[in-house]
Amino acid sequence: AQSVTQPDIHITVSEGASLELRCNYSYGATPYLFWYVQSPGQGLQLLLKYFSGDTLVQGIKGFEAEFKRSQSSFNLRKPSVHWSDAAEYFCAVGLENRDDKIIFGKGTRLHILP
Amino acid sequence: EPEVTQTPSHQVTQMGQEVILRCVPISNHLYFYWYRQILGQKVEFLVSFYNNEISEKSEIFDDQFSVERPDGSNFTLKIRSTKLEDSAMYFCASKGTSGPGEQYFGPGTRLTVT
Repeated sequence: AQSVTQPDIHITVSEGASLELRCNYSYGATPYLFWYVQSPGQGLQLLLKYFSGDTLVQGIKGFEAEFKRSQSSFNLRKPSVHWSDAAEYFCAVGLENRDDKIIFGKGTRLHILP
Repeated sequence: EPEVTQTPSHQVTQMGQEVILRCVPISNHLYFYWYRQILGQKVEFLVSFYNNEISEKSEIFDDQFSVERPDGSNFTLKIRSTKLEDSAMYFCASKGTSGPGEQYFGPGTRLTVT
């Protein structure tokens, strides 16, 4: 069955430091990959997506992610975090030839130290 | 920028009561979804809806659940007889095109069953 694993439940970084949030997926065919962010009291906002092509994708708010097929990973990165980046981050996979469900990971809550 | 809206933001109900959660998807979108997130757990797919019928549903979406698009703008999720374990955040999402496009999420309705 398809699944998404985010091994870190909480991550704390200092403002201005770099960030990497890990995501691994399990899916037999070509996945469509997403990162969503959820700020407190808000809905899920798409940060970036990978469907095909260049494996390094750029998103909003200075985030990027790299698809590594050999590692079944799609890690999210940001070179310098801001206090406003404190939120919960969800990695998700959409299924090839299916425009139905997205499967989410459990999320990583990011805390920023001043 | 168009957005998905949901009402109410918080609903408290007693066990056994019926609830209807309402969503207004983005106006030209054709694909509609409900997801839920039990506190501390991951976002889970419930149901997808296209062309006035359910296109896929998860095992969570049993006979107690139903969805409807009663007019051209609203998309509703009804829970016929709520149980304590239905307490969760319910997210509505919509998508404009077929294939691996972005699903736009609403802010969610927090349902508390007492």
